Amino acid sequence: DTGVSQNPRHKITKRGQNVTFRCDPISEHNRLYWYRQTLGQGPEFLTYFQNEAQLEKSRLLSDRFSAERPKGSFSTLEIQRTEQGDSAMYLCASTLGPIGNEQFFGPGTRLTVL
Amino acid sequence: KNQVEQSPQSLIILEGKNCTLQCNYTVSPFSNLRWYKQDTGRGPVSLTIMTFSENTKSNGRYTATLDADTKQSSLHITASQLSDSASYICVVSATGGYNKLIFGAGTRLAVHP
Repeated sequence: DTGVSQNPRHKITKRGQNVTFRCDPISEHNRLYWYRQTLGQGPEFLTYFQNEAQLEKSRLLSDRFSAERPKGSFSTLEIQRTEQGDSAMYLCASTLGPIGNEQFFGPGTRLTVL
Repeated sequence: KNQVEQSPQSLIILEGKNCTLQCNYTVSPFSNLRWYKQDTGRGPVSLTIMTFSENTKSNGRYTATLDADTKQSSLHITASQLSDSASYICVVSATGGYNKLIFGAGTRLAVHP
């Protein structure tokens, strides 16, 4: 499967714990996006990378959230001191070429904070 | 404020019937509009994409329309199948920057036998 992959698919954690998610984009895709989706809502933009550079962050991305893409390939999203409000589906998408090209989404990581 | 609104919020139809989903947007400057299908617990998958100059596009049993003047789009599904049960999300892209996508909340479609 050469699509976008995300791990883990599901994560259950206790409030206050740290969690880290991984996204492997489609090979050679230079742009990578993170989104958060809560039940019954569309995805909301969190942050965007072009190669290894993080070019944009949403106000939704509090200081407890950090994302990296160290080698311009896979990316990680870490949430520190998780809160129950962090429970959501975290989606990763990647794209290649000019701005405006289709973003291909991964299956998401569903986070449940107890 | 850039917004995408979809209606209805949810819809139940019988297998074989047609249905139409609506999307209104207030995104500017407009780049393109996409319809995505999202199965439960999965990431969205693109169905169609339309730019300003396109007013209709088909993908099998899915036909999307766009009226850029009234800022409205619709997704028509013909001869529905059980596998069409999913959320359908309207997504509008604004020009400039990082290709920001503004997502609607989706219409949850249930196709019953």
